[in-house]
Amino acid sequence: EAGVTQSPTHLIKTRGQQATLRCSPISGHTSVYWYQQALGLGLQFLLWYDEGEERNRGNFPPRFSGRQFPNYSSELNVNALELEDSALYLCASSLVNGPANTGELFFGEGSRLTVL
Amino acid sequence: ILNVEQSPQSLHVQEGDSTNFTCSFPSSNFYALHWYRWETAKSPEALFVMTLNGDEKKKGRISATLNTKEGYSYLYIKGSQPEDSATYLCANNFNKFYFGSGTKLNVKP
Repeated sequence: EAGVTQSPTHLIKTRGQQATLRCSPISGHTSVYWYQQALGLGLQFLLWYDEGEERNRGNFPPRFSGRQFPNYSSELNVNALELEDSALYLCASSLVNGPANTGELFFGEGSRLTVL
Repeated sequence: ILNVEQSPQSLHVQEGDSTNFTCSFPSSNFYALHWYRWETAKSPEALFVMTLNGDEKKKGRISATLNTKEGYSYLYIKGSQPEDSATYLCANNFNKFYFGSGTKLNVKP
């Protein structure tokens, strides 16, 4: 069974540009989470999508946005890139049980975004 | 505690030593506590998911306990091996899936 896949593996952009990162969850998983790991920091919660809806978002500005498609794959868009957006972006998928998620997260290998 | 806190930040032990880490979370905001292991150049992998006060889980030499009333969880590694070297993350799933900053374990042969 295929795991969580993310693309691209690496992405280099310049300040002010837009970046789009993609994530395909494990087959049957309806929830997708996005996290940012900047240098020296831990995993920062960005967004949670389930059944095509944004369920929650972390403390990030509105230029971080995304969506989930009918096949449950997801896209993270970062507009007006800033130098501090350089980070590893991890996507994870899971099954949702009830009103909150007790299912474990399965992570992809990440997309490393470099903003010059 | 407003969020998830982990201690220590890093730990260096000798092969064969037993060790433990702490994860603290707001006891009033709790649904599930997760532990993950994140090895260098790999993706984080789930170790345990615990939901009930007093839960204890074990996987080989690694075990974890949960106290939801006081808001903490312990992860224990018995007889550490070099392959246990990794960053251990805990996450509190309450509305938002927050991770702690992790404990980086280095096991020297």
